[in-house]
Amino acid sequence: KQEVTQIPAALSVPEGENLVLNCSFTDSAIYNLQWFRQDPGKGLTSLLLIQSSQREQTSGRLNASLDKSSGRSTLYIAASQPGDSATYLCAPRGRKLIFGQGTELSVKP
Amino acid sequence: EAQVTQNPRYLITVTGKKLTVTCSQNMNHEYMSWYRQDPGLGLRQIYYSMNVEVTDKGDVPEGYKVSRKEKRNFPLILESPSPNQTSLYFCASSGRGRVVTEAFFGQGTRLTVV
Repeated sequence: KQEVTQIPAALSVPEGENLVLNCSFTDSAIYNLQWFRQDPGKGLTSLLLIQSSQREQTSGRLNASLDKSSGRSTLYIAASQPGDSATYLCAPRGRKLIFGQGTELSVKP
Repeated sequence: EAQVTQNPRYLITVTGKKLTVTCSQNMNHEYMSWYRQDPGLGLRQIYYSMNVEVTDKGDVPEGYKVSRKEKRNFPLILESPSPNQTSLYFCASSGRGRVVTEAFFGQGTRLTVV
């Protein structure tokens, strides 16, 4: 059974910092891995999708990497802004799409 | 515009009164699924469907039913809702061709059972 762990559970940083969110998963038999953002009480917004054959994907200030063999992914956020404050969820996709508990990010002005 | 549409967005009901939450996608996706999200427990999968007439249990299927008679629709049925089913529910879809596509999520349905 796939288990997904996200570290840290919560993170508070001043505006402008670069930061890294970590995701680890136990079953490396995945098709892809997706990073989502969720604002409180809202839906999930897809940020990046990395196929299992890829090592990384970039979108604007976001960069996600995938090391399938070791069961790890990282989300790098450059020059953080208060608008980045949200919960970030990692979801590797095997037979099912399984979520980690998320990292709650707060970026202070 | 590619989207997953859930209805209703908010629902308050009483224990035991059958209800259905609808989910529809316009991307011709094969794979659809339902999740519930609870504080401290994260997102947990209720049921999923690999294609029309093919459904399977997720991690927390008790108290729920689903059906997949058409590719675009995947309703979630609560035959006899109970207060412990008060939660935020999400429907998702993705394609399964040569490459498994990204998952798209609906806006969520906040259900309260009193």
